[in-house]
Amino acid sequence: GAVVSQHPSWVICKSGTSVKIECRSLDFQATTMFWYRQFPKQSLMLMATSNEGSKATYEQGVEKDKFLINHASLTLSTLTVTSAHPEDSSFYICSARDIRNTEAFFGQGTRLTVV
Amino acid sequence: GQNIDQPTEMTATEGAIVQINCTYQTSGFNGLFWYQQHAGEAPTFLSYNVLDGLEEKGRFSSFLSRSKGYSYLLLKELQMKDSASYLCAARYTGGFKTIFGAGTRLFVKA
Repeated sequence: GAVVSQHPSWVICKSGTSVKIECRSLDFQATTMFWYRQFPKQSLMLMATSNEGSKATYEQGVEKDKFLINHASLTLSTLTVTSAHPEDSSFYICSARDIRNTEAFFGQGTRLTVV
Repeated sequence: GQNIDQPTEMTATEGAIVQINCTYQTSGFNGLFWYQQHAGEAPTFLSYNVLDGLEEKGRFSSFLSRSKGYSYLLLKELQMKDSASYLCAARYTGGFKTIFGAGTRLFVKA
């Protein structure tokens, strides 16, 4: 299967700071990338869908000014959590798909802890 | 919305068969995924159904009925390592948005 690399795999930051998470498709061009958040013992919640070169589409209840998504190239999307607070601590996972595949491939996830 | 419903927990015995059901809203439906997720890890792909019927892949099989908005994942010859959460996810047209169910935590006992 295709490889999606997510970086960093874990990060601890101070409250009020911003954190950037990268999602890269290593061996295919990702026309669409999805960003999910998962709290402990809960399922994945879709935050936003991004298509290369256009603005991300955010799900209801997700603050677009707080969770900045950039999909500037066909192999890279970034999620920036701005002014992070402890309640933003979660497992963030990206997935990427290209037009040739029916499935989207997941990155390994980023565990964010805000202290 | 696109509610995805699946049981919260199931317990089964090693070597047995278990069926995990999933229902979803049919409007705009485009396909049904099953993923396995171990605690603290990202989900791993198990199956994708877009047409009605049963698809078998080794010990795992997945069934879809589009008209009923229903799917199930069948796990045969259960092994202890199959203890995990199993996520049902439905893809919808309009951006290929994939919505996940809450997951079914499967406990396999000896």
